[in-house]
Amino acid sequence: EVQLVESGGGLVKPGGSLRLSCAASGFTFSSYSMNWVRQAPGKGLEWVSSISSSSSYIYYADSVKGRFTISRDNAKNSLYLQMNSLRAEDTAVYYCARDQGTVTTGYYFDYWGQGTLVTVSS
Amino acid sequence: SYVLTQPPSVSVAPGKTARITCGGNNIGSKSVHWYQQKPGQAPVLVIYYDSDRPSGIPERFSGSNSGNTATLTISRVEAGDEADYYCQVWDSSSDLRVFGGGTKLTVL
Repeated sequence: EVQLVESGGGLVKPGGSLRLSCAASGFTFSSYSMNWVRQAPGKGLEWVSSISSSSSYIYYADSVKGRFTISRDNAKNSLYLQMNSLRAEDTAVYYCARDQGTVTTGYYFDYWGQGTLVTVSS
Repeated sequence: SYVLTQPPSVSVAPGKTARITCGGNNIGSKSVHWYQQKPGQAPVLVIYYDSDRPSGIPERFSGSNSGNTATLTISRVEAGDEADYYCQVWDSSSDLRVFGGGTKLTVL
């Protein structure tokens, strides 16, 4: 059974940093691209970042580019999101999601974690 | 960047058919995926590649995509279908994943 478990969320002051983790199990983690998707309170889903299976390709939404860094450790079956220079508008539940698809057919998210809440407030 | 437009809300009586649209420039040339999200829960994939259903998703859920509009159709709507629904595409020109704003489905 595929499982994705996020951790590392919490309360942080504006300008602060936080590192999220996602522990994966039930599949060959090193074979899949992975993503972070967030959802601000009462708002819709927003894709944040993706990383290819070997970390060769990394993409970010414009809203977090230059502040957030996605990474992975295939030996530990883990995905990370380093968040710096946090702003109030970064307050959200952050989900880890497995990528599925190809460059020919397009990509989607077939499995999601339960999310971890990040609150940016003074 | 590529923009997907969904109606904020759709209402339907039990047993009827709900249609949720997702608009985008020439969206018919892209693969569209749909997610269901119930309050307090993570999103769940209900349709991928325009019209394919993951295992475990009822046949009542179907999808289509042509021109500038993709549509998620839910037949014989049940109270348990009440949720937020999001469409999503991969924008090949930017290599970014894009979500629509979401549609709240209310079962009357």
